[in-house]
Amino acid sequence: EAGVVQSPRYKIIEKKQPVAFWCNPISGHNTLYWYLQNLGQGPELLIRYENEEAVDDSQLPKDRFSAERLKGVDSTLKIQPAELGDSAVYLCASSHNSGTSNSYEQYFGPGTRLTVT
Amino acid sequence: AQSVTQLDSQVPVFEEAPVELRCNYSSSVSVYLFWYVQYPNQGLQLLLKYLSGSTLVKGINGFEAEFNKSQTSFHLRKPSVHISDTAEYFCAVSDVYNQGGKLIFGQGTELSVKP
Repeated sequence: EAGVVQSPRYKIIEKKQPVAFWCNPISGHNTLYWYLQNLGQGPELLIRYENEEAVDDSQLPKDRFSAERLKGVDSTLKIQPAELGDSAVYLCASSHNSGTSNSYEQYFGPGTRLTVT
Repeated sequence: AQSVTQLDSQVPVFEEAPVELRCNYSSSVSVYLFWYVQYPNQGLQLLLKYLSGSTLVKGINGFEAEFNKSQTSFHLRKPSVHISDTAEYFCAVSDVYNQGGKLIFGQGTELSVKP
């Protein structure tokens, strides 16, 4: 079974430039998460999708960050414009959650390491 | 708001020695608890989880953890570590009333196993 796929793995951009990250979750997983991981810290949730719906985006800085999950499968996270403080690892995770069957296990992709110069 | 505290940022240990990585959480409501491992330049991998039932949970790679509700702790243990266990370990909590909801992670503990 293929795991969570993310691309690119590494990205270096200059500040004020836009950047986008892509995530393909595990097949059949209806829930998708984007996390931000700063150096030396644990991941922090940015946004959670249940199918196509963003059910928790309270931690997403909406002035510069946006996300979408068209058709309830792949997802894209965008930053425009990027700032120096956005340098971090952006992790995507997926899980299968339903009213009667929750695995409570999130499967993580390898992440995208963003460096803003 | 929930929070997770991993009491040690770094734990150096010799190969074949036992190890304990400590984790405390703040929530007073019912929680689910997790330990994840992260190898360099990789995503997080689930080691074990506590949802309900026995407070002693066994996971992969010989790790186990014990849920202690009175002390709000979920410490991770391994009786004999290997060089390959060198990695970052994260404790996480999820509110049981937030089905499929977000994980709150601790700051991580870097386990360094030396020969």
